[in-house]
Amino acid sequence: NSKVIQTPRYLVKGQGQKAKMRCIPEKGHPVVFWYQQNKNNEFKFLINFQNQEVLQQIDMTEKRFSAECPSNSPCSLEIQSSEAGDSALYLCASSLAGGPERLFFGHGTKLSVL
Amino acid sequence: GDSVTQTEGLVTVTEGLPVKLNCTYQTTYLTIAFFWYVQYLNEAPQVLLKSSTDNKRTEHQGFHATLHKSSSSFHLQKSSAQLSDSALYYCALSDRSSNYQLIWGSGTKLIIKP
Repeated sequence: NSKVIQTPRYLVKGQGQKAKMRCIPEKGHPVVFWYQQNKNNEFKFLINFQNQEVLQQIDMTEKRFSAECPSNSPCSLEIQSSEAGDSALYLCASSLAGGPERLFFGHGTKLSVL
Repeated sequence: GDSVTQTEGLVTVTEGLPVKLNCTYQTTYLTIAFFWYVQYLNEAPQVLLKSSTDNKRTEHQGFHATLHKSSSSFHLQKSSAQLSDSALYYCALSDRSSNYQLIWGSGTKLIIKP
């Protein structure tokens, strides 16, 4: 069973609406990743954090997506103005730091933008 | 930049027969780690194998893979497929150039038929 908890499992939004999803990483894991898995099952990296600091993010994330990992609160990924092309499975993963560590994934939030 | 190639999008194998999923890569770094992740239907992706040692066979759950730096490959194999092996399989690379962010292959859907 996954120890990375993502909510909600399903999210339906209209175009232009905000879409927010949350992730509680595995206890003791300081690194959190967000990926988008598209309908072709391909993984696209969006952003990652170490503790509360952003390590890397792609350009798409910088413009319409916002994400944070506050201390003592779930991490979150929010799309400010949803587009049809944002429909995908959003996966959160956590890991230990300091090298090439295995990722532990949540079940994901399936976003449908109508 | 780094890249990981999985040439087969779909592999269909009869139960009891061997399975081989191909994975090749490009990287300029010497210190690398490789992973095979498996994603069962409606489940979170989970790591199946990890390796960072050249020419050393790694095994788990009946699957095995050997990192061959000479041919830039990390193919996944199993001697006898089971129906429960049907899933999506991803090869991924991690090295210092990506700040240990995973570079993913496009995935291979494995279907085991009776």
